Amino acid sequence: EPEVTQTPSHQVTQMGQEVILRCVPISNHLYFYWYRQILGQKVEFLVSFYNNEISEKSEIFDDQFSVERPDGSNFTLKIRSTKLEDSAMYFCASSPPEVPRGYTFGSGTRLTVV
Amino acid sequence: AQKVTQAQTEISVVEKEDVTLDCVYETRDTTYYLFWYKQPPSGELVFLIRRNSFDEQNEISGRYSWNFQKSTSSFNFTITASQVVDSAVYFCALSEAQRGGKLIFGQGTELSVKP
Repeated sequence: EPEVTQTPSHQVTQMGQEVILRCVPISNHLYFYWYRQILGQKVEFLVSFYNNEISEKSEIFDDQFSVERPDGSNFTLKIRSTKLEDSAMYFCASSPPEVPRGYTFGSGTRLTVV
Repeated sequence: AQKVTQAQTEISVVEKEDVTLDCVYETRDTTYYLFWYKQPPSGELVFLIRRNSFDEQNEISGRYSWNFQKSTSSFNFTITASQVVDSAVYFCALSEAQRGGKLIFGQGTELSVKP
């Protein structure tokens, strides 16, 4: 069964550093998403991406964040100047164009900012 | 605005008991989708079920069953004869019907099944 692949599974970074979280969505999916889950809390929507542009973003997704699909297969989330409160699990997801849709989630990247 | 509420933060049962996880949602859309996901201690999100707003038929899959009631905006999940492996956090989620619509998650219910 096709999978969404996320790398790395765990990343530790120093406060103020930039991090890039990587995702390889399912190849025939057209919609891509990033979600965040702070430890012990609910999963929160960050951003959706379609046709090489952001289609929707949440209040959390401020200027510190950016997304990119650099090469037609990878989908990346960049966090500039990380803060302690950015520590969370970040999930990538993708969905096909048809409705009803299924969302396929990656296994997540655990980001720890120290 | 869309919202999903899972009022039960934690539930603890003994193995073989039945347990129901509650989910109440709010939306102005007439067409939408409801989901349940399981998050075991390993952290990944495991898809359990999707239901569209036009299909109020209840569903049973093995020990799992779902009760969708549009009149009360609820989509409850029951595990029959619970097992220790069912211990996890369970999330109810809602999405818009439009293509590319985001998922809105509830706060999650942590289920602990003790032997």
